[in-house]
Amino acid sequence: EIVLTQSPTTMAASPGEKVTLTCRASSSVSYMHWYQQRSGTSPKLWIYETSKLASGVPNRFSGSGSGTSYSLTINSMETEDAATYYCQQGSSYPLTFGSGTKLEIK
Amino acid sequence: EVQLVESGGGLVQPGRSLKLSCAASGFTFSNYYMAWVRQAPKKGLEWVATISTSGSRTYYPDSVKGRFTISRDNAKSSLYLQMNSLKSEDTATYYCASFNYGGSARYFDYWGQGVMVTVSS
Repeated sequence: EIVLTQSPTTMAASPGEKVTLTCRASSSVSYMHWYQQRSGTSPKLWIYETSKLASGVPNRFSGSGSGTSYSLTINSMETEDAATYYCQQGSSYPLTFGSGTKLEIK
Repeated sequence: EVQLVESGGGLVQPGRSLKLSCAASGFTFSNYYMAWVRQAPKKGLEWVATISTSGSRTYYPDSVKGRFTISRDNAKSSLYLQMNSLKSEDTATYYCASFNYGGSARYFDYWGQGVMVTVSS
C-alpha cells in the first residue's frame, strides 16, 4: 500500500500570502490528485494529474511534483481557500488518500 | 449538471446489513466507472469500492473486501453498496463518486453530498 504523508497538518495564512502544501508518497506514483473539502461539505476534485486544475478552480492554484514528492501552491491566499486539502494517488490499488492539511485564514 | 444523490443510510447494529443507493443524473452514467469513498467522523477520506462501466470488474481495499459489494444498474443510472457484517469502524459518511479510470491517473471527478451510516448497538 502506498502511504501518503501530508504536511503541514494544519496551517494558517494571511490574505495575499503564498501557501505551499506538500504530499509525499511512500513509493513513486505517476500522478497526484488533490481535493478541497470545506467545512460541512463533500470533497471536490481540485487538481488532477498533478497539475491540471479542475473546472472552476481559480488560477491562483497550481500543482507540481513527480515521483514521491508533490505540492499544491496557492499564489495569493484568499478567505474562500480556507479548507482541508487531501492528496490522493491512483497509481496502484488500494487507492489511498493523505490525511489532509487543514488550511485556515489568519 | 452532474448530480449524485445518496440514500439508505442510518443507524444499524453491529453484524447487521445495510444497502446504500446513489442516483446519478446529468451525465451518461453507463460510460463511467463509479466508486464509494467514506469519511469517519472528524477523520480523513478512505476509498471503499470501485466498479467498471459494465459492472464486470470490482475493486475493494482489504478493510471491506468480503463484506461489502458494489453494484450498478445502468438502466436506472444507479449505484449501490451492499454492506454486510457491519462493524463500529464502518461508521462514516459514505460518498458516491464518479471515477476517472485512465491508466494510472485514477481519481474521483464528482461527489455526492454523502449519507451517514452509524454502526452501534
